[in-house]
Amino acid sequence: AQKITQTQPGMFVQEKEAVTLDCTYDTSDPSYGLFWYKQPSSGEMIFLIYQGSYDQQNATEGRYSLNFQKARKSANLVISASQLGDSAMYFCAMFRTGTASKLTFGTGTRLQVTL
Amino acid sequence: DTGVSQDPRHKITKRGQNVTFRCDPISEHNRLYWYRQTLGQGPEFLTYFQNEAQLEKSRLLSDRFSAERPKGSFSTLEIQRTEQGDSAMYLCASSLLGQGARGANVLTFGAGSRLTVL
Repeated sequence: AQKITQTQPGMFVQEKEAVTLDCTYDTSDPSYGLFWYKQPSSGEMIFLIYQGSYDQQNATEGRYSLNFQKARKSANLVISASQLGDSAMYFCAMFRTGTASKLTFGTGTRLQVTL
Repeated sequence: DTGVSQDPRHKITKRGQNVTFRCDPISEHNRLYWYRQTLGQGPEFLTYFQNEAQLEKSRLLSDRFSAERPKGSFSTLEIQRTEQGDSAMYLCASSLLGQGARGANVLTFGAGSRLTVL
């Protein structure tokens, strides 16, 4: 079984500052994928970034980067230069390779960007 | 391409009534998923289709729930004899198998259908 733990229920960050959202995971599978999704108040889940367990480099997508520390089983999301529009719920998720993207999600972190 | 569409966006019903949700995935996507999200939690997997075949169902999907994807295009999720515990956001997502590990596994979600059972 897989488990995702997000220990920060809420975070505040000032506009233009960087913020790190924590995610740890638990799995015994050697091959898996990790995701971060953003969920604004409108409800849709928006894909941000993906990291495969065998990827040698940390994933980056624009202002988003994933700090992947495999030995520690952590996959923290770093948002650089925060914008007001980044205020939302952020979910870390994982799947076991070969399980057709059945994602296991964490409980989320609510990020509030302030002026 | 307008993304994944879900209808209705909100549904309020009385306990014991039947409800049906519809999902229209991205047209070229061959995989379709249903997830359920309760307040304060992350989404939980319910079921998924590859084309018209329903390949897996979670234990969360009791016998009061049924999902179909006729002709491999849109999908419906029906809940019979609703209970207050069914109140949740029902999220649909789709993906395209055959685009490599990243492409096949990046789900595009709809905005969800929020169900309130009174």
